[in-house]
Amino acid sequence: GQQVMQIPQYQHVQEGEDFTTYCNSSTTLSNIQWYKQRPGGHPVFLIQLVKSGEVKKQKRLTFQFGEAKKNSSLHITATQTTDVGTYFCAGTYNFNKFYFGSGTKLNVKP
Amino acid sequence: GAVVSQHPSWVICKSGTSVKIECRSLDFQATTMFWYRQFPKQSLMLMATSNEGSKATYEQGVEKDKFLINHASLTLSTLTVTSAHPEDSSFYICSAREAGKTNSPLHFGNGTRLTVT
Repeated sequence: GQQVMQIPQYQHVQEGEDFTTYCNSSTTLSNIQWYKQRPGGHPVFLIQLVKSGEVKKQKRLTFQFGEAKKNSSLHITATQTTDVGTYFCAGTYNFNKFYFGSGTKLNVKP
Repeated sequence: GAVVSQHPSWVICKSGTSVKIECRSLDFQATTMFWYRQFPKQSLMLMATSNEGSKATYEQGVEKDKFLINHASLTLSTLTVTSAHPEDSSFYICSAREAGKTNSPLHFGNGTRLTVT
């Protein structure tokens, strides 16, 4: 089946440090979405990227979609303890089903 | 915003029994709902796509007779885990997308923690 790979699996940072998670697909994606899941909670939508090379920002979060639409990244600048959670990318190949990456669990030490 | 209600939030059942999980879109219509399974500290694995008024489409390796899906209306999809076994214990979560909006985000229910004893 279709697979979206995501690295790293875990990331521990000191508050104020930056954080990046990467997603990669072997085949071209139609679009990609990013979600955040807090412990015990359900995934919450953050953003969607559709266009090749697209870059979107939400305050300290920067999302990128690769030129070939096969990879994407989420970068958090100056992490805060409220950023703790697991970040998932979810890609679709036909604008229908979304396949989730394995997730990156972020832990931020105060 | 769009709200998806999933019930029950947790259930404990005995091996061999069946469990039904409901997923409702409260303020929007969803022709398509998706059922995911999440193991502890792992990602969400797509199990099946539930289509209103037609048969669900299952991902490779997911037993359709084991996980029965019914999408009887534009706001309700159900997943029934039949003849549950301990290995079926997991976190099941549904998601829905507003009808007619292929590019819109998925709205997730709060999930159901199933424990089979």
